[in-house]
Amino acid sequence: SQTIHQWPATLVQPVGSPLSLECTVEGTSNPNLYWYRQAAGRGLQLLFYSVGIGQISSEVPQNLSASRPQDRQFILSSKKLLLSDSGFYLCAWSGQGPNNSPLHFGNGTRLTVT
Amino acid sequence: KQEVTQIPAALSVPEGENLVLNCSFTDSAIYNLQWFRQDPGKGLTSLLLIQSSQREQTSGRLNASLDKSSGRSTLYIAASQPGDSATYLCAAVNQAGTALIFGKGTTLSVSS
Repeated sequence: SQTIHQWPATLVQPVGSPLSLECTVEGTSNPNLYWYRQAAGRGLQLLFYSVGIGQISSEVPQNLSASRPQDRQFILSSKKLLLSDSGFYLCAWSGQGPNNSPLHFGNGTRLTVT
Repeated sequence: KQEVTQIPAALSVPEGENLVLNCSFTDSAIYNLQWFRQDPGKGLTSLLLIQSSQREQTSGRLNASLDKSSGRSTLYIAASQPGDSATYLCAAVNQAGTALIFGKGTTLSVSS
């Protein structure tokens, strides 16, 4: 069966520090991968999605970046965190061709920037 | 640009009631529509996926309908239970078919 792992579960970082959140998927190959952010009182905002290794599409301009060094690994990074980067970050995957494939989410990372 | 809206934002009902959650989307050219459940501080769990060619999907006490022409979907929960308390989100797959656009969710509270 397929599983998705996301870590860490919680993170407190000072403003200006770097960030690296990692997500890995097991039990499937060539998945679509996604990073979403859920800020307090707001909906889920799509940050990045990837349809293959090294292929990253950004939905919103920001100081975050994403990379996909391996087929089932998706990394969210920042060189210098801002207070506004605080939120709940969710990684997700779906099979190729989302017409028939539901989205599966990790348990999320709660990031607090102080 | 696709926008997804969910009404109501919050709903409180006594145990046993049947209820309907509403979802509307501005661009009817969707590939599918999905309903999720989110418990506090947790990730999302997929409940139902309705393909663009379908009108409804059922899973247990849950039934989701889709009307593309009017840009609406509903999630019907029968005989609600306290364990159904959570935030329910709907999401429409964008025109590129690569990502989902979410509504802000309906937070449901079922009292015993």
